[in-house]
Amino acid sequence: KQEVTQIPAALSVPEGENLVLNCSFTDSAIYNLQWFRQDPGKGLTSLLLIQSSQREQTSGRLNASLDKSSGRSTLYIAASQPGDSATYLCAVVNDYKLSFGAGTTVTVRA
Amino acid sequence: DTAVSQTPKYLVTQMGNDKSIKCEQNLGHDTMYWYKQDSKKFLKIMFSYNNKELIINETVPNRFSPKSPDKAHLNLHINSLELGDSAVYFCASGLTDTQYFGPGTRLTVL
Repeated sequence: KQEVTQIPAALSVPEGENLVLNCSFTDSAIYNLQWFRQDPGKGLTSLLLIQSSQREQTSGRLNASLDKSSGRSTLYIAASQPGDSATYLCAVVNDYKLSFGAGTTVTVRA
Repeated sequence: DTAVSQTPKYLVTQMGNDKSIKCEQNLGHDTMYWYKQDSKKFLKIMFSYNNKELIINETVPNRFSPKSPDKAHLNLHINSLELGDSAVYFCASGLTDTQYFGPGTRLTVL
């Protein structure tokens, strides 16, 4: 059974600092890994998707790395802004299912 | 235009009652899903339907019954509600690794 862990559970930083969010998973036989953003009262928005054959994926200020063999992924957010405040969820696909971590709640202070 | 919508957004009810949550998607997807997000923020898949047929059923009590009248709708019926059913329920549609999520329904059982 796939288990996804995210550390830390919460993070508070001043505006402009870089953010580092960690995700680990127990079963390395994944199809891909995704990072989602969840805002209070709203659904999930997909930020980045990394295929199992890829090492990283970038979109604007966001960069996600994947080390499948060690079961780890890291999401970097450069030059954080108050609008980045949200919960970030990591999810892996295997057995045709998405398995989610509990998320990291980020607060960026102005 | 809302891609995946859920009603109601909030649902407060007494133990033992029966309730339904509705989900509709206008994206033309063949597959729809129901997820439960508990108080610890873990999102877990409950059901998956493809073209009105059940394809994933994750050890969910029989009190939960999904119903798909057509491929654009996947409703969730819950009988004999229990305190532990309190959670946020998300509907989604799309392929396994490209899912679009609804805004969630917060169910509170008193």
